[in-house]
Amino acid sequence: RKEVEQDPGPFNVPEGATVAFNCTYSNSASQSFFWYRQDCRKEPKLLMSVYSSGNEDGRFTAQLNRASQYISLLIRDSKLSDSATYLCVVPNTNAGKSTFGDGTTLTVKP
Amino acid sequence: DAGVIQSPRHEVTEMGQEVTLRCKPISGHDYLFWYRQTMMRGLELLIYFNNNVPIDDSGMPEDRFSAKMPNASFSTLKIQPSEPRDSAVYFCASSLGSYLQHFGDGTRLSIL
Repeated sequence: RKEVEQDPGPFNVPEGATVAFNCTYSNSASQSFFWYRQDCRKEPKLLMSVYSSGNEDGRFTAQLNRASQYISLLIRDSKLSDSATYLCVVPNTNAGKSTFGDGTTLTVKP
Repeated sequence: DAGVIQSPRHEVTEMGQEVTLRCKPISGHDYLFWYRQTMMRGLELLIYFNNNVPIDDSGMPEDRFSAKMPNASFSTLKIQPSEPRDSAVYFCASSLGSYLQHFGDGTRLSIL
């Protein structure tokens, strides 16, 4: 089993739709999590941090379920500009590094 | 503030040549990471440093790859000799503590 697994996608949704991605992790000791966004041919950039039960930033909501060891990212009222690959990231503080998921690709269409 | 700076942005060279990628981390950051990204394999961690010391190089594909960090503001990733299968985007990232990583723009490497 991979340390971090994401919905394979791709997700193709119309503008204005609500879409959710899930990410499961295997290290039950993980305390914090991140969602990164990566545009085509660009570097990954931090989208949101998740330190407790969840976090909300405008149209974006990240939730954490420690019992089931998964994180979700909800995007409401999708915009064309939301089209990107979303990477789930789980830091491993003991090892000093982070594990990146393979990413979920979202395409928002007019 | 300047972010992570990588050079060159693009590199095209023939197989067998030596390739050197460069990275300047964000000032004050104590961790530096080298990643490789391809369509087939996604984002792979090659090696990372803490306070200029290599901590884990288990992701380095083979002996043709080497990385150094002579000081807190500079790191190199070298491939010698290069092969076509090394073609990828190579990212450098830095962080304060090992949590939140900031990525450079990447180097797009093509080996012919």
